[in-house]
Amino acid sequence: DAKTTQPTSMDCAEGRAANLPCNHSTISGNEYVYWYRQIHSQGPQYIIHGLKNNETNEMASLIITEDRKSSTLILPHATLRDTAVYYCIVRDVRNTGGFKTIFGAGTRLFVKA
Amino acid sequence: DTGVSQNPRHKITKRGQNVTFRCDPISEHNRLYWYRQTLGQGPEFLTYFQNEAQLEKSRLLSDRFSAERPKGSFSTLEIQRTEQGDSAMYLCASSLVVRGPNEKLFFGSGTQLSVL
Repeated sequence: DAKTTQPTSMDCAEGRAANLPCNHSTISGNEYVYWYRQIHSQGPQYIIHGLKNNETNEMASLIITEDRKSSTLILPHATLRDTAVYYCIVRDVRNTGGFKTIFGAGTRLFVKA
Repeated sequence: DTGVSQNPRHKITKRGQNVTFRCDPISEHNRLYWYRQTLGQGPEFLTYFQNEAQLEKSRLLSDRFSAERPKGSFSTLEIQRTEQGDSAMYLCASSLVVRGPNEKLFFGSGTQLSVL
């Protein structure tokens, strides 16, 4: 699975959009982009995933560039409860043998009042 | 169903002792995973089960570690002769895989192990 690069930390004002970037320049055509987040003292929580089209759900939007080498997770109206570590993960769709992908250190998002 | 449940939440033990953790996945989920997480790092894959079969183990999983999932329901992770380097958060996750590549993991809150 391709490696991802994320900023170590980011700040966002409450009520504003939080845009979390992820670089995956070595991504292959068979690899999905997944986002999880981990709030303090909890296990990671699935947010969203996509292959090449932009995706939106009740939690967030995922924007993937046309060349698929980077993506942005958007939390449209960040709240204090969105303060967490956000993990960007790439996984080969041909891999049905278990979710063994490396999570990395992620981006620590601090939402400030 | 309230999600993936892990017990205990915290475990303090002395070096050399054996410890066992339990994970109850979401019912009807056929896959169950164990991960380990140290401070400031993301979760690292240890092993996973498809129903009751343990399909893969990471090289991180030394011979002192053993996991079981009898009857394809709950799972236990045992660490024998604990070492200080085993101190970490042990996370369990489950998923339902029917066909196709899309798999969403649901994690428990973990068991924090401290080896003194």
